[in-house]
Amino acid sequence: DAGITQSPRHKVTETGTPVTLRCHQTENHRYMYWYRQDPGHGLRLIHYSYGVKDTDKGEVSDGYSVSRSKTEDFLLTLESATSSQTSVYFCAIMGLAGADTQYFGPGTRLTVL
Amino acid sequence: DAKTTQPPSMDCAEGRAANLPCNHSTISGNEYVYWYRQIHSQGPQYIIHGLKNNETNEMASLIITEDRKSSTLILPHATLRDTAVYYCIPNSRGSNYQLIWGAGTKLIIKP
Repeated sequence: DAGITQSPRHKVTETGTPVTLRCHQTENHRYMYWYRQDPGHGLRLIHYSYGVKDTDKGEVSDGYSVSRSKTEDFLLTLESATSSQTSVYFCAIMGLAGADTQYFGPGTRLTVL
Repeated sequence: DAKTTQPPSMDCAEGRAANLPCNHSTISGNEYVYWYRQIHSQGPQYIIHGLKNNETNEMASLIITEDRKSSTLILPHATLRDTAVYYCIPNSRGSNYQLIWGAGTKLIIKP
């Protein structure tokens, strides 16, 4: 168990409302990632972080922002949710020093009505 | 990043070896091959990775062809719990370790 939790696990919200998803790790890993997964597709990278206050965009970053003020927390914010952001969101951390495998949280199912 | 081709689905009988192929003919010399799987509704799980030598761990074996253009993941004694989508992902360990995910292979283990 890589010690990754995500909250909330499920959320239903309305178009135009702000939403923040939280990823928390207990392993003190430097790299953290946010992905989204839509039905029948693989994961797509939204944003990632390589340290406190160090973040960068992935392939589908439009409409999303992130923050990392502490090593253990990586927040994903949808400033104004749209129906196209209905998806399952996964957080991941990269493994122990010297290893570059990613370990994933349980996911957050977000529905935007 | 190299592109991959995996069969969309495969069946395997419980207790038999499951062999999952992956074609990565455009892989570059510094790209490793990573395998992950995703059981329904769960987060993906790392299985194994390799560069050019065959690798084995407690979950699976990875066979990489000499020209590195393809690889095969082997689950030696498949169980019903191995039913999942399996992803083959070449990665150069650069670019802050970003992984590019395809559609993977849906493996169904049948009793």
